[in-house]
Amino acid sequence: AQSVSQHNHHVILSEAASLELGCNYSYGGTVNLFWYVQYPGQHLQLLLKYFSGDPLVKGIKGFEAEFIKSKFSFNLRKPSVQWSDTAEYFCAVGGGSYIPTFGRGTSLIVHP
Amino acid sequence: GAGVSQTPSNKVTEKGKYVELRCDPISGHTALYWYRQSLGQGPEFLIYFQGTGAADDSGLPNDRFFAVRPEGSVSTLKIQRTERGDSAVYLCASSFGTSGGTDTQYFGPGTRLTVL
Repeated sequence: AQSVSQHNHHVILSEAASLELGCNYSYGGTVNLFWYVQYPGQHLQLLLKYFSGDPLVKGIKGFEAEFIKSKFSFNLRKPSVQWSDTAEYFCAVGGGSYIPTFGRGTSLIVHP
Repeated sequence: GAGVSQTPSNKVTEKGKYVELRCDPISGHTALYWYRQSLGQGPEFLIYFQGTGAADDSGLPNDRFFAVRPEGSVSTLKIQRTERGDSAVYLCASSFGTSGGTDTQYFGPGTRLTVL
């Protein structure tokens, strides 16, 4: 079975600061990795995903994530955050027929 | 509508009562998922349907929980003899259903269940 660990539970940044949210997983097979975001009052939605190929994945709103197989990591990054990036961020890992397992989430607050 | 819808948005019930939560997926999506999210936690998988059949129900915590999808579209999550520990937000998601582990899931707004 797979598992996901998100180390940062709460992150507070000022606008224009750089962001990196950690995500580590354990899974023995070929992984599929996801970052979902939940903006205040909205549904969970996909930010980006990795299945294969280029380990650097670009998503919506300037977010990117890098799959580092040797470190079992899929950290989310953004060079310059905006107030509108305030949200809850969830990393998830799936594989083949396995339904994705979600991490406990990171709450990001960006001060204007 | 274009997205996943869930009803009711809020449900308050008393311990021991029976509740039904409904999910209406995106039209054309063959896969449907139920998750439970407790405060401060990520979504916890409950059950996954491919069409009318439950392809994976390994996340259902016990036999008080049951879900159906009789016509391959709308799904109902049923909880018998509710307990206070069942209080959570119940999320539904749907996807095109090409693969349970790789599909992008589209989530609904959730039903907040409170058991008094």
